[in-house]
Amino acid sequence: GQSLEQPSEVTAVEGAIVQMNCTYQTSGFYGLSWYQQHDGGAPTFLSYNALDGLEETGRFSSFLSRSDSYGYLLLQELQMKDSASYFCAATNQAGTALIFGKGTTLSVSS
Amino acid sequence: GAGVSQSPSNKVTEKGKDVELRCDPISGHTALYWYRQSLGQGLEFLIYFQGNSAPDKSGLPSDRFSAERTGGSVSTLTIQRTQQEDSAVYLCASSPSGGALTGELFFGEGSRLTVL
Repeated sequence: GQSLEQPSEVTAVEGAIVQMNCTYQTSGFYGLSWYQQHDGGAPTFLSYNALDGLEETGRFSSFLSRSDSYGYLLLQELQMKDSASYFCAATNQAGTALIFGKGTTLSVSS
Repeated sequence: GAGVSQSPSNKVTEKGKDVELRCDPISGHTALYWYRQSLGQGLEFLIYFQGNSAPDKSGLPSDRFSAERTGGSVSTLTIQRTQQEDSAVYLCASSPSGGALTGELFFGEGSRLTVL
């Protein structure tokens, strides 16, 4: 089967840096995606790592290590609006859909 | 519209009734997905459509759940004889062909179903 594990909650203060981890077990692996979801909103795509290493997009960076079956999302210069749930996801074995972790809820305080 | 559109946004029904949820994908997207999100949980895959190919129904939790996609565009998710455990937000997503292999799906805001 396939599963992705994420810590349930993370708290941080404005201006700080936070790292949210994801470990996965999959039968066949294509890459790791990250999504952000605000309360009551649609999940929105943040990043995708197919290869090992760090991908940077503004304040957001995502890292993948295939050998460790591990990835993380790094958020810098945290803002209150970053308070949301963050999900990692991997493609299912059939290559047809994404399988999601249960998500990490990030709370940013002032 | 520019994004994935779902209706109704909220639906309250009585146990045992049937419900239909609708999804309008982004124009030109050939792949369409349905997910279910229970309170505080991750997204549970239900079904996948790609063009005219047979859908991947491997995520449907029971035979009370079915979905169709007409003309390669609009999709309807039907839940028959609803149960209280069906209460959740049902999310629809679309992508260009092979979206799951690029990791990027485009989600709608979801239909919140409450079964009393």
